[in-house]
Amino acid sequence: EPEVTQTPSHQVTQMGQEVILRCVPISNHLYFYWYRQILGQKVEFLVSFYNNEISEKSEIFDDQFSVERPDGSNFTLKIRSTKLEDSAMYFCASSSGAPEDEQYFGPGTRLTVT
Amino acid sequence: RKEVEQDPGPFNVPEGATVAFNCTYSNSASQSFFWYRQDCRKEPKLLMSVYSSGNEDGRFTAQLNRASQYISLLIRDSKLSDSATYLCAVPGRGGNKLTFGTGTQLKVEL
Repeated sequence: EPEVTQTPSHQVTQMGQEVILRCVPISNHLYFYWYRQILGQKVEFLVSFYNNEISEKSEIFDDQFSVERPDGSNFTLKIRSTKLEDSAMYFCASSSGAPEDEQYFGPGTRLTVT
Repeated sequence: RKEVEQDPGPFNVPEGATVAFNCTYSNSASQSFFWYRQDCRKEPKLLMSVYSSGNEDGRFTAQLNRASQYISLLIRDSKLSDSATYLCAVPGRGGNKLTFGTGTQLKVEL
């Protein structure tokens, strides 16, 4: 069964450093997403991406965040200058096409900012 | 009303019991609704989609009440392995993002 994959599974970084989280969505999917979940809190939407551009973003997704699809398979989330409060699980998801279609999540990257 | 609201629980039930969770939502334009299961520190896994009045898959039944704007998840014959947090998710007004509830924690006990 096709699945979303993410690397690394755990990333530890120092405050102020840049990190890049990587995702490989399901191959025939057209919509890609990033969500985050701070420990003990709910899953929060960050950004959606379709046709090589951002289709929607939340208030959390400020100028320090960016997304990119550098090739035909990878989808990345970059955090330019990490803060302590960026520590969270970051989940990538993808869906096949139509709005409100089912979204499938990857296993997540645990980001720890020290 | 919050966008998506769930009772956080925990619901502690004996094995074999029937348990039901509700989720209320505010976006009356949503056409689809989702239940995800999340184990501790793992990703949400899609459990059921609800596009019309309801959906059934084995021991799991999801129902939609558009008039009162809530969806429910019923689990029959609970098993120890059903212990998890059940997340309700509703597409936002643009149809792209999912808004999640805080989740309802289920603990199935011997």
